[in-house]
Amino acid sequence: GENVEQHPSTLSVQEGDSAVIKCTYSDSASNYFPWYKQELGKRPQLIIDIRSNVGEKKDQRIAVTLNKTAKHFSLHITETQPEDSAVYFCAASFNNFNKFYFGSGTKLNVKP
Amino acid sequence: NAGVTQTPKFQVLKTGQSMTLQCAQDMNHEYMSWYRQDPGMGLRLIHYSVGAGITDQGEVPNGYNVSRSTTEDFPLRLLSAAPSQTSVYFCASSYRGTNEKLFFGSGTQLSVL
Repeated sequence: GENVEQHPSTLSVQEGDSAVIKCTYSDSASNYFPWYKQELGKRPQLIIDIRSNVGEKKDQRIAVTLNKTAKHFSLHITETQPEDSAVYFCAASFNNFNKFYFGSGTKLNVKP
Repeated sequence: NAGVTQTPKFQVLKTGQSMTLQCAQDMNHEYMSWYRQDPGMGLRLIHYSVGAGITDQGEVPNGYNVSRSTTEDFPLRLLSAAPSQTSVYFCASSYRGTNEKLFFGSGTQLSVL
């Protein structure tokens, strides 16, 4: 099956700095790559996603880039704020698999 | 529109006991799934369903059973609880499949003593 690796496991930045989280996947058939944010004690929620026919997608301070050749995708958060502090999960899927494969998560701490 | 509703929120079991975690969605989603979340291991798929009457195994299915008799409900059964099943469990659904946004329930924190 698919294998998704996520780095780093923890990331600490100063408020206003940028944060980058990277994921790699193993199955070239994967074509959908969402990112979920999970605040402490809460459920994961989708923050942005990208499909394999797109190289980059941006939503305000959040962007995701995808390199299909290298089989990696990244989450970029600019002008970080304390409310960005959470655990972020990447995932990969191919609809015919009927399965999402999640990375192990990155705990982001934004220091005021 | 309640979304995905999971019960209970917390549960403590003794080794060998059985129980059912309930999951219901009111969004007419075809796809439903169960995940367990353990520290440092992300979310791992236990079982999933692509419609009423259709279920299949995920990455970590051993010790769990599911059924999908209606579109709305997807209960997860622990047959004989073991300490290794101590985890946080999330139910999640999407409209048609895994190329779409997943909506998660609020989670069940399960401890097996």
